[in-house]
Amino acid sequence: AQKVTQTQTSISVMEKTTVTMDCVYETQDSSYFLFWYKQTASGEIVFLIRQDSYKKENATVGHYSLNFQKPKSSIGLIITATQIEDSAVYFCAMSPLDSNYQLIWGSGTKLIIKP
Amino acid sequence: EAAVTQSPRNKVAVTGGKVTLSCNQTNNHNNMYWYRQDTGHGLRLIHYSYGAGSTEKGDIPDGYKASRPSQENFSLILELATPSQTSVYFCASGDAFDRGNTEVFFGKGTRLTVV
Repeated sequence: AQKVTQTQTSISVMEKTTVTMDCVYETQDSSYFLFWYKQTASGEIVFLIRQDSYKKENATVGHYSLNFQKPKSSIGLIITATQIEDSAVYFCAMSPLDSNYQLIWGSGTKLIIKP
Repeated sequence: EAAVTQSPRNKVAVTGGKVTLSCNQTNNHNNMYWYRQDTGHGLRLIHYSYGAGSTEKGDIPDGYKASRPSQENFSLILELATPSQTSVYFCASGDAFDRGNTEVFFGKGTRLTVV
């Protein structure tokens, strides 16, 4: 079975701090792609960052970075120096290489940044 | 700039009526997807397509049909709308993640209410 699990339904942190959101996945495929997307208050779904399973180095884009722990099937999203506008719902997704580029989605984590 | 455009953005339909949701992409992507999003369920795949003329069933296809008449356009059809199909629908387009394509791009969503 292929599955993506986000156990944190909601996280609240103070502005300018660092937050980590958890995501674990299940797949029998040896090659896969992992994604994090953000859904804003307006409903827009925006791509943030991606990790390819064969890459050992953690991906980083701006103030987003990933903590990829392949033996634990885990891909955490780290946001440093959080801002009010980071408040959103964050989704983790996986695409096994032989899935014809289908995305399997987690249920999302709501992030609230407090001033 | 990659673009996925959905129409209409909001729709109120009557039970038993026919509803067509349209999606247009200017990304020249082969793959297009229709998802629905309900509170507590994240994104669930309804139908997808690998190119013009092709449609495939996703995880929750019952009650929905899809049509891909061209590379750019992908429609979701509810032949007999029911209140349980009240939801927010997202269209997306993407291509091979292992051939230089970074992500899946989403439209802004269609809020459908069936009364």
